[in-house]
Amino acid sequence: DSGVTQTPKHLITATGQRVTLRCSPRSGDLSVYWYQQSLDQGLQFLIQYYNGEERAKGNILERFSAQQFPDLHSELNLSSLELGDSALYFCASSVVGEPLYEQYFGPGTRLTVT
Amino acid sequence: SQQGEEDPQALSIQEGENATMNCSYKTSINNLQWYRQNSGRGLVHLILIRSNEREKHSGRLRVTLDTSKKSSSLLITASRAADTASYFCATGGGSQGNLIFGKGTKLSVKP
Repeated sequence: DSGVTQTPKHLITATGQRVTLRCSPRSGDLSVYWYQQSLDQGLQFLIQYYNGEERAKGNILERFSAQQFPDLHSELNLSSLELGDSALYFCASSVVGEPLYEQYFGPGTRLTVT
Repeated sequence: SQQGEEDPQALSIQEGENATMNCSYKTSINNLQWYRQNSGRGLVHLILIRSNEREKHSGRLRVTLDTSKKSSSLLITASRAADTASYFCATGGGSQGNLIFGKGTKLSVKP
């Protein structure tokens, strides 16, 4: 158990819908990262937050957005969903937002868009 | 886009044998990390090696890093069926904290 929690574990929804994925980092970790894992694209970095502020952006679509709240939990919002958005979405946390530290991953949310 | 490229893509061995996986990357790095992922589950951090280190050990794991060749290897000694998983290398670098992952090596250890 990494100490990072993600809800829900599974999500099935239809095209065009909007969903929210939630992540709680390990106690004491200030930085939260979101990654998408799909068969064709592999593990892709989406976005990073550090202590409530957006720190870095990766391959995140404009239809996706995220935020980190004062209690440090984070939410990833996916809207106007397409079939290609079906993937595993992982949240990870680390003590600080520097590249010298390991990241701890949650169990993921499996999103299926039908 | 992928920074690291693992080799081989798939590896099948018998219990007790050693497994070696390689990773090559493209740009300069601060560190290189290896993660394990059991089928469809979260990634588990295995080991981190910094750019000024050449070799690191953790239990049955041995990682080497050659920054001149931009490559790393992960050796799992005396493998067990429970080591069956996908193994990813990930690089961290620059001012951002995110990791860039390779496509992974799928290891199958047969009892």
